[in-house]
Amino acid sequence: DAKTTQPPSMDCAEGRAANLPCNHSTISGNEYVYWYRQIHSQGPQYIIHGLKNNETNEMASLIITEDRKSSTLILPHATLRDTAVYYCIVRVAASGTYKYIFGTGTRLKVLA
Amino acid sequence: KAGVTQTPRYLIKTRGQQVTLSCSPISGHRSVSWYQQTPGQGLQFLFEYFSETQRNKGNFPGRFSGRQFSNSRSEMNVSTLELGDSALYLCASSLARGQTDPNEKLFFGSGTQLSVL
Repeated sequence: DAKTTQPPSMDCAEGRAANLPCNHSTISGNEYVYWYRQIHSQGPQYIIHGLKNNETNEMASLIITEDRKSSTLILPHATLRDTAVYYCIVRVAASGTYKYIFGTGTRLKVLA
Repeated sequence: KAGVTQTPRYLIKTRGQQVTLSCSPISGHRSVSWYQQTPGQGLQFLFEYFSETQRNKGNFPGRFSGRQFSNSRSEMNVSTLELGDSALYLCASSLARGQTDPNEKLFFGSGTQLSVL
């Protein structure tokens, strides 16, 4: 199974862009990259996902390198409410469904 | 549309007891997955159910079991509780329209915090 590697923690100033990197060098061609975040003691919340093209939604942008071995989640204007643990996940096909392989996450702290 | 509902929110048990956790998925979602989250091990996949059948299973002992009902609601059971079973247990549901669905995603509940004393 593909695995992800993320820095354990990052700080970002409020109002600035937060760029969270993820390495998934063993990803296979049909495996998607997902990003979720988890605010203390709540369930993870979906942010964005992609296969090989860059993606953008109302929450964030996802930049995937051409070789698909790494990606970056961008929160364009971080706020204090974006303080959370961010998980980079690879979705792999298994037994007619999917398995979501969670990394250890990056603890993002947005500073006032 | 109601989200994924997990009950109870908190639970305290003693070693050797058993516990049952409940999960109600989003209406229309057919797949329910369970995860264990601990500070040391992070989020670990327990098992996934679809149409009342277990399709995938993680690397947990047989003390951990689950089931899914015809209305897609799911329960997870842990027998002979150990101190190390203290964790946040998360349930997630998804539409599960097939392996070719590019928009498949998990929706998580708030979890059940289990403390084993």
